[in-house]
Amino acid sequence: QVQLVESGGGVVEPGGSLRLSCAASGFTFTDFVMHWVRQAPGKGLEWVAVIWHDGSNKYYGDSLKGRFTIVRDTSKNTLYLEMNTVRADDTAVYYCARGGQSYLEAPGKIEYWGQGTLVAVSS
Amino acid sequence: EIVMTQSPATLSVSPGDRATLSCRASQSVSRNFAWYQQKPGQAPRLLIYGASTRATGIPARFSGSGSGTEFTLTITNLQSEDFAIYYCQQYNNWPLTFGPGTKVDL
Repeated sequence: QVQLVESGGGVVEPGGSLRLSCAASGFTFTDFVMHWVRQAPGKGLEWVAVIWHDGSNKYYGDSLKGRFTIVRDTSKNTLYLEMNTVRADDTAVYYCARGGQSYLEAPGKIEYWGQGTLVAVSS
Repeated sequence: EIVMTQSPATLSVSPGDRATLSCRASQSVSRNFAWYQQKPGQAPRLLIYGASTRATGIPARFSGSGSGTEFTLTITNLQSEDFAIYYCQQYNNWPLTFGPGTKVDL
């Protein structure tokens, strides 16, 4: 079965950096688009970033202003989110999610989600 | 970016009722549209994609309709496990955007 397991969350000071990881299993990683979506405490869902199955395309949420980078390592079946210059409003649960199957489905259709990892930005 | 709005913000219902949730997009998203259910402490779960196709394992009491800018999620014969927050999402344009959610409660 599809499994997405996030790690790397924790407390980080404002202006600091953090790298989140998402270990994927139960499907052919290189066939699917992958996303990061976040949810601030008590708030709604905010899409963060997407990366194409082969890494050829990446898109980001407007609010990130170039501070985050999405990366995938196909040799490790792992998705990453590199977070730089973090701010208090980056505090959220970060979900890794699987998008559509390349060339067959819409990339933005998000079918499977991990359980999330909490990032808290605080001094 | 495309702005998604949902109504009502909260829907108070009873088990066995029919619930109708609405979502509107600020511009046409064709049928590139989805509904998600989220319970406290859990990740969202895909219910409907393509505006009206149920995802794998989703009961038939959930149905979606609409296209363009107006969409509806209908839940018939509400069960206790259906009390949750429901989010709509468009995937027609980048960035992807979600609605603010509708809470379905007693």
